[in-house]
Amino acid sequence: ETGVTQTPRHLVMGMTNKKSLKCEQHLGHNAMYWYKQSAKKPLELMFVYNFKEQTENNSVPSRFSPECPNSSHLFLHLHTLQPEDSALYLCASSPRTGRVDEQYFGPGTRLTVT
Amino acid sequence: GQQVMQIPQYQHVQEGEDFTTYCNSSTTLSNIQWYKQRPGGHPVFLIQLVKSGEVKKQKRLTFQFGEAKKNSSLHITATQTTDVGTYFCAGSAGGTSYGKLTFGQGTILTVHP
Repeated sequence: ETGVTQTPRHLVMGMTNKKSLKCEQHLGHNAMYWYKQSAKKPLELMFVYNFKEQTENNSVPSRFSPECPNSSHLFLHLHTLQPEDSALYLCASSPRTGRVDEQYFGPGTRLTVT
Repeated sequence: GQQVMQIPQYQHVQEGEDFTTYCNSSTTLSNIQWYKQRPGGHPVFLIQLVKSGEVKKQKRLTFQFGEAKKNSSLHITATQTTDVGTYFCAGSAGGTSYGKLTFGQGTILTVHP
């Protein structure tokens, strides 16, 4: 629907597991974002990539490791997560950062850490 | 850092009633955007306001940006059940933060038929 896809849609992992979230945008955009959405909290910006370069790391713990191999793909590598990391992780894209652009969100990955 | 507060947190209305959500920023914004997230869905862009005092309309939705560019509102006239969802405002401060959005907590709208 929005041109931004995310896989998997649901993920349950233990605290010692390593997993990765994938995001792909088919809109020809150059900026991509990771957000965390927890219950009763505002959307929290985690990382921003512009033309494959990371331009923002919003004080995110190192157990979250982003990767942007090209402008169309964005990954979030997860390891040794905590139960409080359970949330909806949303990927978004926009034509580019450095200007005011609307963001297009993917459907999200619902992550549960046990 | 920049904070964006949104009120109310919840709003229950009867179908046909009007609805308004308010957004206030701790700092002057370069622009403000509004998004809607349906239950179980993801945020979808509605509109962007850039100019001081700007008012934009989309059918039954009216968006305003304050003169000081620190507050904004979304007003829905004669709500329908399809309006159900969470409405978020998101502001950008400009400068080195240009393009980086800070989201409000959202207002969850329930419409009773």
